[in-house]
Amino acid sequence: GAVVSQHPSWVICKSGTSVKIECRSLDFQATTMFWYRQFPKQSLMLMATSNEGSKATYEQGVEKDKFLINHASLTLSTLTVTSAHPEDSSFYICSAHVDFGREETQYFGPGTRLLVL
Amino acid sequence: AQSVSQHNHHVILSEAASLELGCNYSYGGTVNLFWYVQYPGQHLQLLLKYFSGDPLVKGIKGFEAEFIKSKFSFNLRKPSVQWSDTAEYFCAVNGDGGFKTIFGAGTRLFVKA
Repeated sequence: GAVVSQHPSWVICKSGTSVKIECRSLDFQATTMFWYRQFPKQSLMLMATSNEGSKATYEQGVEKDKFLINHASLTLSTLTVTSAHPEDSSFYICSAHVDFGREETQYFGPGTRLLVL
Repeated sequence: AQSVSQHNHHVILSEAASLELGCNYSYGGTVNLFWYVQYPGQHLQLLLKYFSGDPLVKGIKGFEAEFIKSKFSFNLRKPSVQWSDTAEYFCAVNGDGGFKTIFGAGTRLFVKA
């Protein structure tokens, strides 16, 4: 089946630094990837849609200058949390979108836990 | 606005008990419906999905879900749970007209051995 990886699996950083998270589709190509954020005991919240070769589409309330997304190839999307602060600590999950006509499916990565001190 | 609600945040069952987790959505257009499972320490996995056709969908590990359009529901069922079904279950919906996938808050299932 389709496999999506994320790197790193968890990261601790100091406040004010930037952190890059990679999302890769390992055995398939994905023109679209999604980035989610999950707070403890809450559901996934869609942050942005990453499209290969074009600008990401951000959901309302998500700062595009804070969360930089680059979808450089059909198998890689990156999320950079710039000037991270403690309130950015969360679990970030990516998914790769596979479109079989109307039958769209997402395959999720294992997530990246970010802790900002 | 579109929304997805899961009725139970926590469910505790004994092994061999039957399971039904509720999921309701609000959207008037054509929808695709999903149930995902997240086992402890693991990432989200697709359990089953409905796009069209038979509203009773069979998934992996003996799970099934029934789409009842008139009730805007997509409840997950399993006739006899096992300890290994302990996990968090998320209902998700997307649809036509640019309706992106949204997730319910999740239901944590704990199965007692």
